[in-house]
Amino acid sequence: GIQVEQSPPDLILQEGANSTLRCNFSDSVNNLQWFHQNPWGQLINLFYIPSGTKQNGRLSATTVATERYSLLYISSSQTTDSGVYFCAVAPMEYGNKLVFGAGTILRVKS
Amino acid sequence: GAGVSQSPSNKVTEKGKDVELRCDPISGHTALYWYRQRLGQGLEFLIYFQGNSAPDKSGLPSDRFSAERTGESVSTLTIQRTQQEDSAVYLCASSPSGRYHEQFFGPGTRLTVL
Repeated sequence: GIQVEQSPPDLILQEGANSTLRCNFSDSVNNLQWFHQNPWGQLINLFYIPSGTKQNGRLSATTVATERYSLLYISSSQTTDSGVYFCAVAPMEYGNKLVFGAGTILRVKS
Repeated sequence: GAGVSQSPSNKVTEKGKDVELRCDPISGHTALYWYRQRLGQGLEFLIYFQGNSAPDKSGLPSDRFSAERTGESVSTLTIQRTQQEDSAVYLCASSPSGRYHEQFFGPGTRLTVL
């Protein structure tokens, strides 16, 4: 089946710093989503981005489907950005069922 | 509008007991998914409902797991004869249709099997 690899696994930032999270996937996909899982376990939708670039406030994401990767940019990080960031993809032969990466644990220190 | 809701939020049970977990999708969403998240890991797909089509059960880990959905609304995930390895957070998601649409997740049910 498809492999979804996220890097880095852990990241510690000082408040105000910028960061880039990466998601590599091993096969063509119909759907790609980025989520933030907060300390209470809630999955918050960040981006639905099977291709192209989107921006939402301090966050932006780019997916290059032909090269099978996606990037999530966090600028001017805040302590509330702490949590786990997941990339999830729906492989083309798999309908819309999402396959999740292992996540990036982000800690933002004040 | 209201998001995906799940109940109970927490469930503690004894090994061997049956449990039922409930999911209420976003109104109008025809597709509903169940996922499981073990401690410190990503989510694993369990089962998928799309309208009146037969459900896709390809992710269910054993025949102790089953799920039902009433039309395009509530779904119930049942785990029979629970085992300690069933301890996890069970999350439900819904989307406007089954084809390549954004999925929205509920808060999950934390299941602990003693």
